[in-house]
Amino acid sequence: AQKVTQAQTEISVVEKEDVTLDCVYETRDTTYYLFWYKQPPSGELVFLIRRNSFDEQNEISGRYSWNFQKSTSSFNFTITASQVVDSAVYFCALKYTGNQFYFGTGTSLTVIP
Amino acid sequence: DVKVTQSSRYLVKRTGEKVFLECVQDMDHENMFWYRQDPGLGLRLIYFSYDVKMKEKGDIPEGYSVSREKKERFSLILESASTNQTSMYLCASIRDSPYEQYFGPGTRLTVT
Repeated sequence: AQKVTQAQTEISVVEKEDVTLDCVYETRDTTYYLFWYKQPPSGELVFLIRRNSFDEQNEISGRYSWNFQKSTSSFNFTITASQVVDSAVYFCALKYTGNQFYFGTGTSLTVIP
Repeated sequence: DVKVTQSSRYLVKRTGEKVFLECVQDMDHENMFWYRQDPGLGLRLIYFSYDVKMKEKGDIPEGYSVSREKKERFSLILESASTNQTSMYLCASIRDSPYEQYFGPGTRLTVT
């Protein structure tokens, strides 16, 4: 069963538009961690954020913000005023019991200048 | 600066060859992982290791084996490469907490 769903396969936006990447997860554990990673064209995944299940506070880091809602099992990622450098594949991931991480299938974001 | 390195960025092998993919981390992390990444499938875990000589199967271990003789090095072995193992292979390591994974640059393996 899919544990992390990223329903958006590809998104294209024009530069300076806002864009939200969706992530829905599935777990019965009460303690778990959610992550977002960015994979630019160079290929190396870069960690963006970690959130644990007890912290539902939304987070903002510059143009990036994350909305964690346990009621809907979602951990969405918004880029405000998108830039060409934001073009990448973005992965959402879940970790609960043990050391295994479960990744979504990724969302490919293209920002058009 | 934390670092995970992989022995090759690109590799071309023939069907039936034995293939070794090496991964080294310099962060003294206990946990290391091997994933393969395919279009539309995301990252899928092949094997992980939580200590020297300790390993656990991930979601897709068939056709692969691993070796962890030293803490810093985690090797992925394709005993007899097949064309369906053509893929991008990613190595990662993590600390126990806060569970941030550090990834290597990846090895794009083509089996012909």
